[in-house]
Amino acid sequence: GESVGLHLPTLSVQEGDNSIINCAYSNSASDYFIWYKQESGKGPQFIIDIRSNMDKRQGQRVTVLLNKTVKHLSLQIAATQPGDSAVYFCAENGDSSYKLIFGSGTRLLVRP
Amino acid sequence: KAGVTQTPRYLIKTRGQQVTLSCSPISGHRSVSWYQQTPGQGLQFLFEYFSETQRNKGNFPGRFSGRQFSNSRSEMNVSTLELGDSALYLCASRGENRYNSPLHFGNGTRLTVT
Repeated sequence: GESVGLHLPTLSVQEGDNSIINCAYSNSASDYFIWYKQESGKGPQFIIDIRSNMDKRQGQRVTVLLNKTVKHLSLQIAATQPGDSAVYFCAENGDSSYKLIFGSGTRLLVRP
Repeated sequence: KAGVTQTPRYLIKTRGQQVTLSCSPISGHRSVSWYQQTPGQGLQFLFEYFSETQRNKGNFPGRFSGRQFSNSRSEMNVSTLELGDSALYLCASRGENRYNSPLHFGNGTRLTVT
């Protein structure tokens, strides 16, 4: 498949374990954050978002945690499955524009 | 609901040529954004259009331009192609509420410049 990033940090987990993907964002004024999943040959797919007035938000098998004090965002995936193997990006939006600033991405590999 | 559609899927061009990429947003979305994705620079914002007007522009040279039509479909153009323009070009659309309507991406156009 097409390479999204040649030198991405990689997280390798056993199928069924929980995964935690971390992201440091850059702008303390950012007030909206999104996690995307990108599989080979596809565009980024929306997973979950969170506003800065929240610390935690849960979806189906995924949880996003936001720590504004240290400008840190994490994505937790419960009971990781082979279909979760992909590159994960965090993105931040800090003004009235619709411009997203993306992190560099983390590759998640799920071992059977 | 159909997702964001981008055409063509793949393009091969020669240095100095120009190229036009097309994007059809999700029905009802009036905001269309374009991003460039490369292994070295990651995902970078090119520009955003809303109701046929460019609302925001990233830090790219003037060779990169775009437009939006009255039906919200968008095109981007790159003139005088350079080898460094080889990338995956992603189009995304969203609704009008910044918090309740995240960007939804198409699968991109893979441009190779030789």
